[in-house]
Amino acid sequence: AQSVSQHNHHVILSEAASLELGCNYSYGGTVNLFWYVQYPGQHLQLLLKYFSGDPLVKGIKGFEAEFIKSKFSFNLRKPSVQWSDTAEYFCALGSDNFNKFYFGSGTKLNVKP
Amino acid sequence: DGGITQSPKYLFRKEGQNVTLSCEQNLNHDAMYWYRQDPGQGLRLIYYSQIVNDFQKGDIAEGYSVSREKKESFPLTVTSAQKNPTAFYLCASSILQADGYTFGSGTRLTVV
Repeated sequence: AQSVSQHNHHVILSEAASLELGCNYSYGGTVNLFWYVQYPGQHLQLLLKYFSGDPLVKGIKGFEAEFIKSKFSFNLRKPSVQWSDTAEYFCALGSDNFNKFYFGSGTKLNVKP
Repeated sequence: DGGITQSPKYLFRKEGQNVTLSCEQNLNHDAMYWYRQDPGQGLRLIYYSQIVNDFQKGDIAEGYSVSREKKESFPLTVTSAQKNPTAFYLCASSILQADGYTFGSGTRLTVV
């Protein structure tokens, strides 16, 4: 069965610290992977996506993610976080036929100024 | 500006009543989706529709119903059969699923 796991439910960092949020998936077909962000009181927004090609994907606001097929992972990274990165982050998997997306349970990031 | 409009933002319902959540998009997207967001559980798919007059059940469709009479509109009815309806409901749309979703701002439903 398809699933997405985010093991870090709540992460607290100081400004300028490096960030890595874990995302593991279970899926037998071709994977299409996404990271979404939900800032307090705002819509979910797409941060970045991976379909094929270079496994290191760069997104908006300095975020990047690396697809590691052997580990079934798509971890999100940022070298230096800012207070404005405080938000909830969701990893998502798109099915082969794109009928459905499967979301992880989310990681709340709290960046201390 | 193009986007997805969900209304109302907050909704209160008495137990035993049906309630309908509105979702309208002017993006000319073919596909529309309803998700439920609960703390610690992420987003769970309720229903989705790829074309007008057609829709499919998602993972947690029980106690919900939808219609897709127009491309722009995908209302969700939370029926009295839904055992735990208090939640945050998100509507989304996409033209090509590979591009990801555009999300609405959500409706928070509280059953009192």
